[in-house]
Amino acid sequence: DAKTTQPPSMDCAEGRAANLPCNHSTISGNEYVYWYRQIHSQGPQYIIHGLKNNETNEMASLIITEDRKSSTLILPHATLRDTAVYYCIVVRLWVVGNEKLTFGTGTRLTIIP
Amino acid sequence: DAGVTQSPTHLIKTRGQQVTLRCSPKSGHDTVSWYQQALGQGPQFIFQYYEEEERQRGNFPDRFSGHQFPNYSSELNVNALLLGDSALYLCASSDGRATGDRSGQPQHFGDGTRLSIL
Repeated sequence: DAKTTQPPSMDCAEGRAANLPCNHSTISGNEYVYWYRQIHSQGPQYIIHGLKNNETNEMASLIITEDRKSSTLILPHATLRDTAVYYCIVVRLWVVGNEKLTFGTGTRLTIIP
Repeated sequence: DAGVTQSPTHLIKTRGQQVTLRCSPKSGHDTVSWYQQALGQGPQFIFQYYEEEERQRGNFPDRFSGHQFPNYSSELNVNALLLGDSALYLCASSDGRATGDRSGQPQHFGDGTRLSIL
């Protein structure tokens, strides 16, 4: 699996958009980009995933560059409840539900009131 | 629709003891994966069970073993506990029959069991 690089920490003002970058320069054509977050004392929570197109759901938007070497998770209107560690994970295409997830240390996002 | 449930939530053991942790998968899921998360680190994959067999395993010693029951629930057993086994143990479930689904089927996590070794 391709490795990912994320900044260790970021701050964002409440109500503003939080933009979390992830570098995955060795990603293969059959690998998805997945984002999870982990709020203190809870298990990781799935946020969104994508292959090469931009994706949006009720939680966030995912922007993947054309060369697929990096991506950005966007939380459009951050709230205090979005304070968490965010993990960017690259997963092979065909066995996503069965693939072992390789977590890095993620980005600790702090939402400032 | 219940999500992934784990028990107990907290556990304290001493070195050399044995421990069993339990996981019930999300309804409709048949695959269970276990992860260990040390303080300040991301979760590390231990192993995965599907159809009551261990399908893949991470870099963990044989002291870590597991079991899956016909109802898809699972247990993680750790023998001869070491201080370094202190961690949050996470269970994740998924649909093992979703292989090949291009839309992707994310794993769903429980809130874990916090194991402390004294």
